[in-house]
Amino acid sequence: DQQVKQNSPSLSVQEGRISILNCDYTNSMFDYFLWYKKYPAEGPTFLISISSIKDKNEDGRFTVFLNKSAKHLSLHIVPSQPGDSAVYFCAARGYGGATNKLIFGTGTLLAVQP
Amino acid sequence: DTEVTQTPKHLVMGMTNKKSLKCEQHMGHRAMYWYKQKAKKPPELMFVYSYEKLSINESVPSRFSPECPNSSLLNLHLHALQPEDSALYLCASSQDPLGYNSPLHFGNGTRLTVT
Repeated sequence: DQQVKQNSPSLSVQEGRISILNCDYTNSMFDYFLWYKKYPAEGPTFLISISSIKDKNEDGRFTVFLNKSAKHLSLHIVPSQPGDSAVYFCAARGYGGATNKLIFGTGTLLAVQP
Repeated sequence: DTEVTQTPKHLVMGMTNKKSLKCEQHMGHRAMYWYKQKAKKPPELMFVYSYEKLSINESVPSRFSPECPNSSLLNLHLHALQPEDSALYLCASSQDPLGYNSPLHFGNGTRLTVT
């Protein structure tokens, strides 16, 4: 039962263009969402997060949008750079609230072409 | 550079061996985590320590034994593993165990191969 889903296993974008990575979740009790980037042979690196009381959070080239009614979030990267090529995971904080238990999506491999 | 340090980076062990994975953070974080990641899969939570006490065990087999000697250190003791336990083992920490606005920071992992 995959509670956090990333339906696109891969995405290819030209350098300088916008990259849009999507994530859907099933549990309406999730209250905190994060995006991580992962290079091969490294651990996930935190990028940006958003709480359920907001619908947008921006940090430099990265913007996360949350649509609670659709149970959907997206990460926009503008402009995309070749160094952004990596696997991107969305994650949601598990309901129950007592502990910081993250549930990860299946990941999207982003390739930014020079 | 990651602020969560894991050793060793690679480990090969037989099914009868006993080994330990180590994790260290000096960010003053009060929660520490072990995740397991298989190839082309998302990280899966194994254990959570909150203020040095085990708060979550995700029904992990007893051949994996976590230990938190102090607020900066986290160990994972391995014994009688199976080949299917081969994976990338990730340690993470977060400032607030309750998690609100408290992202996890991951180490680079230990690549474990069980022969």
